[in-house]
Amino acid sequence: AQSVTQLDSHVSVSEGTPVLLRCNYSSSYSPSLFWYVQHPNKGLQLLLKYTSAATLVKGINGFEAEFKKSETSFHLTKPSAHMSDAAEYFCVVSGQGGSEKLVFGKGTKLTVNP
Amino acid sequence: NAGVTQTPKFQVLKTGQSMTLQCAQDMNHNSMYWYRQDPGMGLRLIYYSASEGTTDKGEVPNGYNVSRLNKREFSLRLESAAPSQTSVYFCASFRSRGRGAEQFFGPGTRLTVL
Repeated sequence: AQSVTQLDSHVSVSEGTPVLLRCNYSSSYSPSLFWYVQHPNKGLQLLLKYTSAATLVKGINGFEAEFKKSETSFHLTKPSAHMSDAAEYFCVVSGQGGSEKLVFGKGTKLTVNP
Repeated sequence: NAGVTQTPKFQVLKTGQSMTLQCAQDMNHNSMYWYRQDPGMGLRLIYYSASEGTTDKGEVPNGYNVSRLNKREFSLRLESAAPSQTSVYFCASFRSRGRGAEQFFGPGTRLTVL
C-alpha cells in the first residue's frame, strides 16, 4: 500500500527567500509522485510529476522536486518565493505503472510574508 | 474544452435530506473519481469508476452512492445527509496516456449539512 507524509502542516517564508516543502512516501511499487497546489477556495492544479524518468522534475511557476529513492523523499523547492505562491500544497503518490488510485498527503499550507 | 465541471458550487442541506452532486468531463477519460476534502485531512477517495458501468469503493464510501451514467458523467448521491458529510467535494477524471498519467480536478462543491 502507498502512503505519503508531509512533514510540515504549515510553512512560513518571506517573499524572495527559498521555499522547501517536505514529503516522504511509502510504496510497494515504483511510484509515480505528484505535487498539486490549491489556492484558497479553488480546485487543485498539478505543479509537477515524477514518473520514473529524470529524478529532478521541473514544474510550473519555478517549482521543482527531486525524487530520492534512498531517502523515500520527494521534496518541493523554489529558489525565491512570490506572494502568489501562498496556497496549500499536496504531495500525492500513485501505484505501480501510474495506477489510477492516488493517495494524498494531508497538505502543507504555505504563507508568504511581505 | 471545459475539462471537469461540477454542479452545484454550493449547497446547504438539513440533516436527513438527500441530494445528488453532478460531475461531467469532456476529455474522453475512462476513469472518474469522487473525493472529499476536510481541513487537515487532504483529499480522501469516496468512490471511483474505472470505466462506464463500473464503480468501486474508496477509502470513505459510507453514506454515499454513485452512478456512472455514461462515459462523461459520474454522480454522487447522499441519501440521508448528516452533519459529518459537511465538506468540499471534488470530482476528477484520469488521463492514462498521451503526456502521461494525470488526474484533472473539477472546481469543487462546498456542502454544508445543518
